[in-house]
Amino acid sequence: DAKTTQPTSMDCAEGRAANLPCNHSTISGNEYVYWYRQIHSQGPQYIIHGLKNNETNEMASLIITEDRKSSTLILPHATLRDTAVYYCISNFNKFYFGSGTKLNVKP
Amino acid sequence: GAVVSQHPSWVICKSGTSVKIECRSLDFQATTMFWYRQFPKQSLMLMATSNEGSKATYEQGVEKDKFLINHASLTLSTLTVTSAHPEDSSFYICSAKLGPQGFEQYFGPGTRLTVT
Repeated sequence: DAKTTQPTSMDCAEGRAANLPCNHSTISGNEYVYWYRQIHSQGPQYIIHGLKNNETNEMASLIITEDRKSSTLILPHATLRDTAVYYCISNFNKFYFGSGTKLNVKP
Repeated sequence: GAVVSQHPSWVICKSGTSVKIECRSLDFQATTMFWYRQFPKQSLMLMATSNEGSKATYEQGVEKDKFLINHASLTLSTLTVTSAHPEDSSFYICSAKLGPQGFEQYFGPGTRLTVT
């Protein structure tokens, strides 16, 4: 079963930063936090993952709290193409997807 | 890099027939692949874990005799839906883990199955 909880939906203005929260209060010490997104009728796209430290790549930044019970995915300058369902997953090997957050980027 | 393909992208079959879906890792070797199913407006549901050269392990509630999985090589896993019924109509997605030390999974584009 999914071990993460996320808001059902969020809105963001184009060009602004999108901050997507995720709660994973039961995460184990060796479990990573992964973020994926799914655009309608496509396979999920990998965004970023982390264990303890904050991470940044060309797509996004991942901020993990010190106690590792929650994290935030940051899309620094959201575009219309970032409209998707964003999934946060905390597992070691198998992925159990929760309901995700539907991010609506509006012009 | 880390590209996963699926074939076919969509398929229509008649009730009672079987259909095979292929999942390939194009530019890396995948010792472990996963199969998911997604119904409309729902999240992905893990069906099974496929390990190269060994039997697949199925999630609780997934019929192993109905959903046959074969992982014959480090770049290919197949899912065969046997004796398909309309309720098997769904979006089937595979993923591949990037090597034995990699933790992230890379997903294929999915296969839309419609059983009439």
